[in-house]
Amino acid sequence: GENVEQHPSTLSVQEGDSAVIKCTYSDSASNYFPWYKQELGKRPQLIIDIRSNVGEKKDQRIAVTLNKTAKHFSLHITETQPEDSAVYFCAHTNAGKSTFGDGTTLTVKP
Amino acid sequence: GAVVSQHPSRVICKSGTSVKIECRSLDFQATTMFWYRQFPKKSLMLMATSNEGSKATYEQGVEKDKFLINHASLTLSTLTVTSAHPEDSSFYICSARRGGAQSYEQFFGPGTRLTVL
Repeated sequence: GENVEQHPSTLSVQEGDSAVIKCTYSDSASNYFPWYKQELGKRPQLIIDIRSNVGEKKDQRIAVTLNKTAKHFSLHITETQPEDSAVYFCAHTNAGKSTFGDGTTLTVKP
Repeated sequence: GAVVSQHPSRVICKSGTSVKIECRSLDFQATTMFWYRQFPKKSLMLMATSNEGSKATYEQGVEKDKFLINHASLTLSTLTVTSAHPEDSSFYICSARRGGAQSYEQFFGPGTRLTVL
C-alpha cells in the first residue's frame, strides 16, 4: 500500500502541555484519516477521524487537522494527562483499506 | 455497540502445527474484516482483507496458502496459520468494518498472541 510517514516516533511532554503528532502520506486518493490510541497489550482504539472534505475536527482535548494539498494531517492533544500516555497511530484510507503510520510513543510526565 | 472479539487471546503451539484464530463482530454485521500482524513496538501490517462470501484479498508478500482466511458469515472471519514456524510468532489483530462500502470506520479485536516453539 501507499506509505505514510509519522513523526515523531517518541514524544515526551509535561502534564498540561500540548502534544502534536504529524503524518504525511502520498496517496492522493485517500479520503479518510483516522487516529488510533493503543495502550500496551491492548487493541487500537479510534480516538478521532476526519474525512477529506473537512479541514479540521475537534473533540474536547483532541483535534485533527488535514491539509489535502500538502498531503499531511496532524493530531493535537491539549492539556495532556498521564492517562494520555500510549502509542498513537495515524492511518489513511483508500477504497476502505487503511495504511498505518509507524506510531508515536507519547509519554506524559506528571 | 461495535464490539469485536477474538479467540484465542493467547496460543502456544509446536512448530509444524496449524492454529486457527477467530474474529467475531458481536453486535453488528461486517461484510469486510481485516487481518493485521503487529511486531513488538511496531505498526500494524495489513495481511489481508476478508470479504464475506468471497475469497480474501492478500497483501503483497503474504502467502495465501500459509495464512488461510475464511469469512463464512457476516459476523465471523477465521485466520488459520498453517504449518506454523517460530518466525510466525507475532501479535495478530483483526478488525471489522461496520456499514457498507462508504463506511470506513474499523473496530479492532483484542488481538491474539501466537508463540510457535
